[in-house]
Amino acid sequence: GENVGLHLPTLSVQEGDNSIINCAYSNSASDYFIWYKQESGKGPQFIIDIRSNMDKRQGQRVTVLLNKTVKHLSLQIAATQPGDSAVYFCAESTGFQKLVFGTGTRLLVSP
Amino acid sequence: NAGVTQTPKFQVLKTGQSMTLQCAQDMNHEYMSWYRQDPGMGLRLIHYSVGAGITDQGEVPNGYNVSRSTTEDFPLRLLSAAPSQTSVYFCASSYRGGEEKLFFGSGTQLSVL
Repeated sequence: GENVGLHLPTLSVQEGDNSIINCAYSNSASDYFIWYKQESGKGPQFIIDIRSNMDKRQGQRVTVLLNKTVKHLSLQIAATQPGDSAVYFCAESTGFQKLVFGTGTRLLVSP
Repeated sequence: NAGVTQTPKFQVLKTGQSMTLQCAQDMNHEYMSWYRQDPGMGLRLIHYSVGAGITDQGEVPNGYNVSRSTTEDFPLRLLSAAPSQTSVYFCASSYRGGEEKLFFGSGTQLSVL
């Protein structure tokens, strides 16, 4: 499948830089948040999640930060690599099958 | 494991035609769902299933039908295709305890003329 594409916000970085992708969510009752990565021609792939009782969660090269006061979520990618080039979606959830996806941010990594 | 397998990858239909998008998963996941992805919009839930024999509607169910006769398979039927159904369709599965950690297939790009 093709990425959602025509007017996506785009973040361009150099290889080795740290990337920060931001997401504003809408529902103050959302208690679970997920970041997905979608490479061209593929389906979205789970990266990392965080529950609302946490402010920060770290994975391998990725960190998610949650600011419930301003309803803001961010994904930080350390030492960005060309393979990180993709569209990144945040999703918020208030319960089972109540996932609401954002429209995505395209990350372009230059060698 | 192959994960979630969708067929076909591409399809062109004429208005009024019907077709079935196939989805199969080999991870023994209880939950399966169908999403559509349109430019400028996030993924939207069409239908979902919590187990064999149980289905329910999502956010945008009109014009689509589903059934779940086995744990592995969850086909999506377009009853009478319309241009508004031109989209990329993704099937996803998840397991009990990780319901929102969706495993997606690679998608079907559908054009309705």
